[in-house]
Amino acid sequence: KAGVTQTPRYLIKTRGQQVTLSCSPISGHRSVSWYQQTPGQGLQFLFEYFSETQRNKGNFPGRFSGRQFSNSRSEMNVSTLELGDSALYLCASSDDYRTSSYEQYFGPGTRLTVT
Amino acid sequence: AQKITQTQPGMFVQEKEAVTLDCTYDTSDQSYGLFWYKQPSSGEMIFLIYQGSYDEQNATEGRYSLNFQKARKSANLVISASQLGDSAMYFCAMREAPGGGATNKLIFGTGTLLAVQP
Repeated sequence: KAGVTQTPRYLIKTRGQQVTLSCSPISGHRSVSWYQQTPGQGLQFLFEYFSETQRNKGNFPGRFSGRQFSNSRSEMNVSTLELGDSALYLCASSDDYRTSSYEQYFGPGTRLTVT
Repeated sequence: AQKITQTQPGMFVQEKEAVTLDCTYDTSDQSYGLFWYKQPSSGEMIFLIYQGSYDEQNATEGRYSLNFQKARKSANLVISASQLGDSAMYFCAMREAPGGGATNKLIFGTGTLLAVQP
């Protein structure tokens, strides 16, 4: 099976711009979660999508949004970028927690730098 | 509130020796899952091992084993026969399942940086 893919891998944006990151989960996985990793805050949960519905959301401002498509691919969008949004954004793919394969597998991440 | 604590910011181990990375957790839920991930300098998070709260046996995956002590709320990772390639950051995480609800949200600890010395 192919692993979780994230595009782009690296991104440099300017303050005030917006950005869209993409995540393609493992084939058959219906849950996609997003995490932000920074040196200061560590790994923080952004949101989770399951079958095109947001199932859970972390404590991030409304500038952070996401969506999931019918093929389970997910995108996250950050509008009006701030310097503090510079981070590694990780996407995790999983089958539903009620199944036997509930391990979560992460993609390689998108490293976003805001200047 | 659910919380994961990793008290070892960094550790050294000699190649071929075993090492234990500590993880304690706090939750009032009866149903939860515990994970360990490895993050090399490249940044990707590599799944190592999973332990469910109702699993009676400690989980093992090759050289990785999870020492699960439910009463003490600890889930330590044991790596046997350390290799140079094991040098990385290691994260302990817990899946929230409040009331058995539907979510795959993970709460992470701050990580332990392991350095394997030749």
